[in-house]
Amino acid sequence: EIVMTQSPATLSVSPGERGTLSCRASQSVSSNLAWYQKNPGQAPRLLIYGASTRATGIPARFSGSGSGTEFTLTISSLQSEDFAVYYCQQYDNWPQTFGQGTKVEIK
Amino acid sequence: QVQLQESGPGLVKPSQTLSLTCTVSGDSMTSKSFYWSWIRQPAGQRLEWIGLIYATGTTSYNPSVKSRVTISLDTSRNLFFLNLTSVTAADTAVYYCARATAYCYGGACYKIYDHWGQGTLATVSS
Repeated sequence: EIVMTQSPATLSVSPGERGTLSCRASQSVSSNLAWYQKNPGQAPRLLIYGASTRATGIPARFSGSGSGTEFTLTISSLQSEDFAVYYCQQYDNWPQTFGQGTKVEIK
Repeated sequence: QVQLQESGPGLVKPSQTLSLTCTVSGDSMTSKSFYWSWIRQPAGQRLEWIGLIYATGTTSYNPSVKSRVTISLDTSRNLFFLNLTSVTAADTAVYYCARATAYCYGGACYKIYDHWGQGTLATVSS
């Protein structure tokens, strides 16, 4: 199965600053990658699919890029509600697999 | 707005069967656009897709648990279920139910999890 590796494990950012998260696949997944946000006690939320398409209702400050094996999630100006754990997921191959997560914390 | 809620016993003894229920509200499970899934996350580990079921009853399972798992549904009550047999401590995890929707682009359609429950902790211990 495809292994997804996220970096860094923890990202410390000040509110209003830009945050950049990375996700690497052990083999090409084309553009078949999603990003999710998880806040404590809440359900995971779909942010991005198709590597770069924002899901319904997701603010424009979230953007995704990449294809093949290298992907990036960028949060242009971090708001208080954005401090959370972020997961990437490939759905190009079965079984679908997830990264181990990046925690975005307040600096 | 669709909502999903997991329920079930929080504690299961080793070798027994873990049974969880997902209650779906705000949507019909008979829609041909959706797939109903279970995903779990052991503490400190990554999310693991367990399997899914379509409105027709067709299922697909992760090979890692395929011999022990059954997912079923009751569309009349908007419920779907997870049964995991012969559990061990390695099955201790937060279990999520989720709805996957077919998103189509680039000439193909893909199942993407667009709504999730909050998760329920299931602990395997004697």
